[in-house]
Amino acid sequence: DTEVTQTPKHLVMGMTNKKSLKCEQHMGHRAMYWYKQKAKKPPELMFVYSYEKLSINESVPSRFSPECPNSSLLNLHLHALQPEDSALYLCASSQDAPADTQYFGPGTRLTVL
Amino acid sequence: QKEVEQNSGPLSVPEGAIASLNCTYSDRGSQSFFWYRQYSGKSPELIMFIYSNGDKEDGRFTAQLNKASQYVSLLIRDSQPSDSATYLCAVNALGGTYKYIFGTGTRLKVLA
Repeated sequence: DTEVTQTPKHLVMGMTNKKSLKCEQHMGHRAMYWYKQKAKKPPELMFVYSYEKLSINESVPSRFSPECPNSSLLNLHLHALQPEDSALYLCASSQDAPADTQYFGPGTRLTVL
Repeated sequence: QKEVEQNSGPLSVPEGAIASLNCTYSDRGSQSFFWYRQYSGKSPELIMFIYSNGDKEDGRFTAQLNKASQYVSLLIRDSQPSDSATYLCAVNALGGTYKYIFGTGTRLKVLA
């Protein structure tokens, strides 16, 4: 089973709202990732958690706040977003970090009004 | 700057033909290479990974790796209209940055 789940599938929020994206995997993977993808562009890495610790933050604005409550769950808390933050947000996981295959969830389509 | 390059396409092939997708990378330390298929509006789906020089076959798909020339390719035999998608090449350096470097993707169109 190589399933990564994400909720919600779609999210529309105003610039003053606070919302959270959720990601879950039960493959025993120890690395989890958040990506942002704009139309016709490749996924852009935002954060990497390795063994529940934040190991990479790709200079993401503080209005995005990741959280890894346990090895199976990954959240992305959103606050005071801008319309340009509208994108497909992808979660992925891998067995361990460096060279392992990453499996992507279905994504959350975020629209910021 | 570590880079992965792909021709953006679209690459158009007739149904039943072989589609050849190419990817070059700049970091000689790269150890793992991945091909993902992404349909419009969907998430990337892993097709194949390859670590060693040579060919690796899985059904209609063959990945080819040449580390000396720093390229990796994906061949799709007997192409079907359902193969029409964007194909992303990703490269990961062992012991390096814990992250993929993605190419920009090649859009493939299989014409019925």
